[in-house]
Amino acid sequence: DAGVIQSPRHEVTEMGQEVTLRCKPISGHNSLFWYRQTMMRGLELLIYFNNNVPIDDSGMPEDRFSAKMPNASFSTLKIQPSEPRDSAVYFCASSPGLLNTEAFFGQGTRLTVV
Amino acid sequence: GENVEQHPSTLSVQEGDSAVIKCTYSDSASNYFPWYKQELGKRPQLIIDIRSNVGEKKDQRIAVTLNKTAKHFSLHITETQPEDSAVYFCAASGSSSNTGKLIFGQGTTLQVKP
Repeated sequence: DAGVIQSPRHEVTEMGQEVTLRCKPISGHNSLFWYRQTMMRGLELLIYFNNNVPIDDSGMPEDRFSAKMPNASFSTLKIQPSEPRDSAVYFCASSPGLLNTEAFFGQGTRLTVV
Repeated sequence: GENVEQHPSTLSVQEGDSAVIKCTYSDSASNYFPWYKQELGKRPQLIIDIRSNVGEKKDQRIAVTLNKTAKHFSLHITETQPEDSAVYFCAASGSSSNTGKLIFGQGTTLQVKP
């Protein structure tokens, strides 16, 4: 398995534009996490899916952020409209879905909003 | 909500010395405690984990201890080497809602001086 795959690896966009980040979890994994990493706030959990259903989105910072998981092999995180303070590295991670198991991270998407 | 506190934020040791990183968690229902290592520009990767039915676990130069009563867990690295230099994150999972939500500490930047 190629692991968790995220795209794009880097994204530079202008303030106000829509940004869509993509994630393909490891095949067979039932849980998917979106994290945001910044120097100031570390790794923040944004939203968590189990069996394609959003379980906890309390970490989503604002209504500008939305996430979907239309099937077991694909998830998106959308920011509309984007702002400079959204600049960060966004990680997607997946786990087998059994409680208390390792989460495997993707390579991350480095987002810069100018 | 769940919270994980990690200390220190930075740690500098001489090669060959030991390094200790400490974490506390707020949710007494947490029962899975992984540690991740993140090298510069790379994804976090699991290095060791411990479950609540165990007080200590060791893997070569790395050990983790857990005190459920005090809600503390610690990472111990012995005989440190320059390649141990990285950011280390603790995390806690499992909660009263039993959803497998994985919450990270703020991270510790470890520098091992040759």
